[in-house]
Amino acid sequence: SQTIHQWPATLVQPVGSPLSLECTVEGTSNPNLYWYRQAAGRGLQLLFYSIGIDQISSEVPQNLSASRPQDRQFILSSKKLLLSDSGFYLCAGTGGRYTEAFFGQGTRLTVV
Amino acid sequence: GDSVTQMEGPVTLSEEAFLTINCTYTATGYPSLFWYVQYPGEGLQLLLKATKADDKGSNKGFEATYRKETTSFHLEKGSVQVSDSAVYFCALKGGSYIPTFGRGTSLIVHP
Repeated sequence: SQTIHQWPATLVQPVGSPLSLECTVEGTSNPNLYWYRQAAGRGLQLLFYSIGIDQISSEVPQNLSASRPQDRQFILSSKKLLLSDSGFYLCAGTGGRYTEAFFGQGTRLTVV
Repeated sequence: GDSVTQMEGPVTLSEEAFLTINCTYTATGYPSLFWYVQYPGEGLQLLLKATKADDKGSNKGFEATYRKETTSFHLEKGSVQVSDSAVYFCALKGGSYIPTFGRGTSLIVHP
């Protein structure tokens, strides 16, 4: 079955510090990959998606960037965190165009 | 573009009550439809799915039927438990690379 490993589970970072969140995929090759952010009590905001290595599309202009150096690795980064970057970050994947999404366990980021 | 609309929450029920969470969608073509569940502090988990009209998805006592004529995929359960308390997301995936999610409905079940 398809699995996403996402780490760390929680992270507290000072304003202005860099960020790197990573997820890796098992159980499928050439997945479409996604980074979402979820504010408390709110829905999912799509940040980035990728259909292949080094192919990244940004949905929301912001302080974050994403990279996909390998087929099953997706990284979310920031050079300088803002307070507004706090939230719950979810990595997700799909195996094909009509198939379900599978999610990692999420990272709770608090910028202080 | 594609969209999913689900009822606002929270939905508050007593244990053993009947649950309905409404979901309607707009999409081109014939998407697959899904319900996901999210427990506090966790990622989303697939609860059930349906891939064509009149299909019924079911899992753990939850059911939803793909109604093409009303563009709906309502989630139902005959008798909820306290452990069903979570946020439920309706979603669709069609020919686009990007799945479309509703805003989520919080379910609170009291003993």
